Amino acid sequence: DAGVIQSPRHEVTEMGQEVTLRCKLISGHNSLFWYRQTMMRGLELLIYFNNNVPIDDSGMPEDRFSAKMPNASFSTLKIQPSEPRDSAVYFCASSSGQQRRNQPQHFGDGTRLSIL
Amino acid sequence: AQKITQTQPGMFVQEKEAVTLDCTYDTSDQSYGLFWYKQPSSGEMIFLIYQGSYDEQNATEGRYSLNFQKARKSANLVISASQLGDSAMYFCAMRGPGYSTLTFGKGTMLLVSP
Repeated sequence: DAGVIQSPRHEVTEMGQEVTLRCKLISGHNSLFWYRQTMMRGLELLIYFNNNVPIDDSGMPEDRFSAKMPNASFSTLKIQPSEPRDSAVYFCASSSGQQRRNQPQHFGDGTRLSIL
Repeated sequence: AQKITQTQPGMFVQEKEAVTLDCTYDTSDQSYGLFWYKQPSSGEMIFLIYQGSYDEQNATEGRYSLNFQKARKSANLVISASQLGDSAMYFCAMRGPGYSTLTFGKGTMLLVSP
């Protein structure tokens, strides 16, 4: 079975450019999570969707960040304009069954983002 | 609020030895779940093992087991017979009732030497 698929794996761009990260959920999963990982702050939850609806976006750093789920299997995280401090590894994860507490989140391989 | 504490920034172990990675948690909830993830140098996050707060038995998955002490609020990961491929960062995480989100600890870097 295909796992969570993220693209691109690596992104290097200049400050001020728009960056779009993409994520395809595991088939049948209905919860979607975006995380950011840095050495300083560890793994931070940015936003969480359930059944395509954003449930908790309190971790989104500022208005430059936005996330969408146009359908049940796909999500994008956009940064516009990007800044060097946005450099990090961005993970997408999905899980099934909000009420089943033992369901793990399955992570994609991450996007390593570098803003010059 | 939930909090996960992993006090060991790094651990060293020789191949074939057992190692325990510590995890303590803080929550006022009675119902919660605890997870361990492995992150090798290649970067992906791999789910290892789960323990529910009401589970009476300690969870086991192959060479991984959880030493769950509810009264002490600890959920230590035990890896038996370490292998070189176990060298990685290990994260403990918690999910509370009514939430799907996970709270992660800072992680422990494990290095297995020949």
